[in-house]
Amino acid sequence: QKEVEQDPGPLSVPEGAIVSLNCTYSNSAFQYFMWYRQYSRKGPELLMYTYSSGNKEDGRFTAQVDKSSKYISLFIRDSQPSDSATYLCAMSTSYDKVIFGPGTSLSVIP
Amino acid sequence: EPEVTQTPSHQVTQMGQEVILRCVPISNHLYFYWYRQILGQKVEFLVSFYNNEISEKSEIFDDQFSVERPDGSNFTLKIRSTKLEDSAMYFCASKLSAQPPYGYTFGSGTRLTVV
Repeated sequence: QKEVEQDPGPLSVPEGAIVSLNCTYSNSAFQYFMWYRQYSRKGPELLMYTYSSGNKEDGRFTAQVDKSSKYISLFIRDSQPSDSATYLCAMSTSYDKVIFGPGTSLSVIP
Repeated sequence: EPEVTQTPSHQVTQMGQEVILRCVPISNHLYFYWYRQILGQKVEFLVSFYNNEISEKSEIFDDQFSVERPDGSNFTLKIRSTKLEDSAMYFCASKLSAQPPYGYTFGSGTRLTVV
């Protein structure tokens, strides 16, 4: 079983749609959970982070962590064409090494 | 906003040659990292570096790889004898302190092509 799994997509939605992105993981020791956005040929850019289980909201973005199910989600409300990118879930057991999911490619069509 | 700067943006090298990838972390950051991303694959941890020594490294980071902070501002990744499978984007990251990993700032990467 892979440590972090994520549907690669591609996911294509119309502008204004609600987008749901998900990851599952196998290591119950993960306690730091992050979502990164990556544009083509650029480095990952941190979008959201949560510690342990729970929800966190920031503008149009909501991150959810369910440690009992080993499942994390990112919701994007009122999606915009500028949200078109690859979204990487990431997690860590410590302050250092981060394990990334393979990423989901999202296209928001005007 | 402070940035992590990586040079060059693209490097082409012949198999068996040595390459050095350079990074200038954010100036007051103390923790430094290299990650790589093979085309179409996930971002993978290579090594973490603090207080002039390696804190942790992955199994990818074998004897062909080394890291150095030669002058207090640059952070370099050296690959001694490149292989075709070393072709990837290499990302440098830094963070200020012993804070959770969401303190990372990534650079834009160096695309290494081994021919």
